[in-house]
Amino acid sequence: GNSVTQMEGPVTLSEEAFLTINCTYTATGYPSLFWYVQYPGEGLQLLLKATKADDKGSNKGFEATYRKETTSFHLEKGSVQVSDSAVYFCALNPLSGSARQLTFGSGTQLTVLP
Amino acid sequence: EAGVTQSPTHLIKTRGQQVTLRCSPISGHTSVYWYQQALGLGLQFLLWYDEGEERNRGNFPPRFSGRQFPNYSSELNVNALELEDSALYLCASSSLAGDLETQYFGPGTRLLVL
Repeated sequence: GNSVTQMEGPVTLSEEAFLTINCTYTATGYPSLFWYVQYPGEGLQLLLKATKADDKGSNKGFEATYRKETTSFHLEKGSVQVSDSAVYFCALNPLSGSARQLTFGSGTQLTVLP
Repeated sequence: EAGVTQSPTHLIKTRGQQVTLRCSPISGHTSVYWYQQALGLGLQFLLWYDEGEERNRGNFPPRFSGRQFPNYSSELNVNALELEDSALYLCASSSLAGDLETQYFGPGTRLLVL
């Protein structure tokens, strides 16, 4: 079946530090890959996405590249801000027949200190 | 453009009661997905509706059910509530026709079962 393995948290960084959150996946075929962010007390917001190998998704300074050879989709940001503090979820959509639901990683709690 | 909306925002019920949660998708989206986010269990897929039909369901008992209306809004019903049903219930919508089936989430309904 499909699965997503995400870097365990929590992660605590100082403002302007470099961020990497690792994400690897298992899926048949060619899934689409996503990063969602959840701020305290809120739903999920789409952060970025990629739909095929070597695609790079980017938004608000965050980037992730779809690496089929390593089945990875690591999230990176060069300089984090306090406002980036949230829980980050990696997810895949298998886009296969009746299986269109997202499979999520366990989430990584990020805290950025001023 | 209005996003996905959900009601109510919060709900408190007692064990054994029944609850109905509501979701309105983004205009033009025909698919609605329901997910449960319970403490310690991550995000789990519940149900997928498209064009008024149930397309897929996750590994949940039959007391979790729902429907989709002609205007594509959806209801999630949970009968015989149990304490472990306490969770954030998230609704997402997508268009199978475009945007590579990206799912956009609502703010969620937080259910507490006492």
